[in-house]
Amino acid sequence: AQRVTQPEKLLSVFKGAPVELKCNYSYSGSPELFWYVQYSRQRLQLLLRHISRESIKGFTADLNKGETSFHLKKPFAQEEDSAMYYCALEGNYGQNFVFGPGTRLSVLP
Amino acid sequence: GAVVSQHPSWVICKSGTSVKIECRSLDFQATTMFWYRQFPKQSLMLMATSNEGSKATYEQGVEKDKFLINHASLTLSTLTVTSAHPEDSSFYICSARPGEVQPQHFGDGTRLSIL
Repeated sequence: AQRVTQPEKLLSVFKGAPVELKCNYSYSGSPELFWYVQYSRQRLQLLLRHISRESIKGFTADLNKGETSFHLKKPFAQEEDSAMYYCALEGNYGQNFVFGPGTRLSVLP
Repeated sequence: GAVVSQHPSWVICKSGTSVKIECRSLDFQATTMFWYRQFPKQSLMLMATSNEGSKATYEQGVEKDKFLINHASLTLSTLTVTSAHPEDSSFYICSARPGEVQPQHFGDGTRLSIL
């Protein structure tokens, strides 16, 4: 069965420091990976997806099939990046959508 | 664009009551909508996938007679929690997808509290 793990429940970094939110997955096929973000008192929203290969708000994520990872990175964290981040996997044909447990990022001034 | 509206945002009702939650895509048509449940301090758990004009596909362990899903149009899906009990209290979130290869867009969620 597909599974998404995010080992850190809470990650605190200082403003300007690099940040990496870890995500590992298990899936037998070729999944599509996403990062969703939820800012305080706002709805869940898509941050980025691996097939787009784009950088949103300075964040990037590379799919590493060998390590089955999709870590989210940003070289210089900002206070407004503080939020809950969820890694998610979608299986073949749009089925089997699974969220990870989430990591709360706190960027300190 | 791609706004999903969920209503109501908060419901408090007595045990045994049936509660209906609506999920609407406001500016796009959604052939597929998803219903999630989120317990406190836990991640979202997919309950069911709703396809317009056909029966919903439920995830393992989700009672389809307990959680009735109707997707009568391309912009509306409803989740009815029948004969709700305190253990059904949770945060329910819907999402909608404009197309098969499009990402999901989420509603604000509905907090359901059963007394």
